[in-house]
Amino acid sequence: GQQVMQIPQYQHVQEGEDFTTYCNSSTTLSNIQWYKQRPGGHPVFLIQLVKSGEVKKQKRLTFQFGEAKKNSSLHITATQTTDVGTYFCAGATSGTYKYIFGTGTRLKVLA
Amino acid sequence: EAQVTQNPRYLITVTGKKLTVTCSQNMNHEYMSWYRQDPGLGLRQIYYSMNVEVTDKGDVPEGYKVSRKEKRNFPLILESPSPNQTSLYFCASSPASTGGASGELFFGEGSRLTVL
Repeated sequence: GQQVMQIPQYQHVQEGEDFTTYCNSSTTLSNIQWYKQRPGGHPVFLIQLVKSGEVKKQKRLTFQFGEAKKNSSLHITATQTTDVGTYFCAGATSGTYKYIFGTGTRLKVLA
Repeated sequence: EAQVTQNPRYLITVTGKKLTVTCSQNMNHEYMSWYRQDPGLGLRQIYYSMNVEVTDKGDVPEGYKVSRKEKRNFPLILESPSPNQTSLYFCASSPASTGGASGELFFGEGSRLTVL
């Protein structure tokens, strides 16, 4: 079945360092979404990417969707303690109503 | 305030005792779904619903039932809970889209279930 792999599983960074998490799908996606879950909280939507090669930015966050629409990345520049949490990607394939979530990357930022 | 409300937030029960986790949204969303979150496994979809009376299985539907009699409500039913259903459960909703899953998922606060 369709799988979405996400790496790394954990990442500890010093405050001010950059951070990147990657998602790879076994099948071509119609779109990919990114969510952030703070410790003890629920996932909160960050962004959706739809087009091949798309790049979107939100302040210090940069999201990319691969040309083949099978991979994506989230890059955070100059991390802050408020970035702590688990970041999930969620992929959907055309014609289905199922979201396949990656296993998540837990980010810890050391002050 | 736009929200997805789940109840109960915490529950400890025993094997075989039927339980229902309720989910309600006030955003008039057509799409609703249930996920379970387990360490190292991320979020796995249990069931989803595209509209009233329309439901379908996700990736891990065994041991669960759902119903969608009203647009705003999407309860998750565990007819005979077992310890392997101990998990953190999230309900989510999203506006409708044609052609497949698309659009922001709004999640509830989560329901932590322990089955002894």
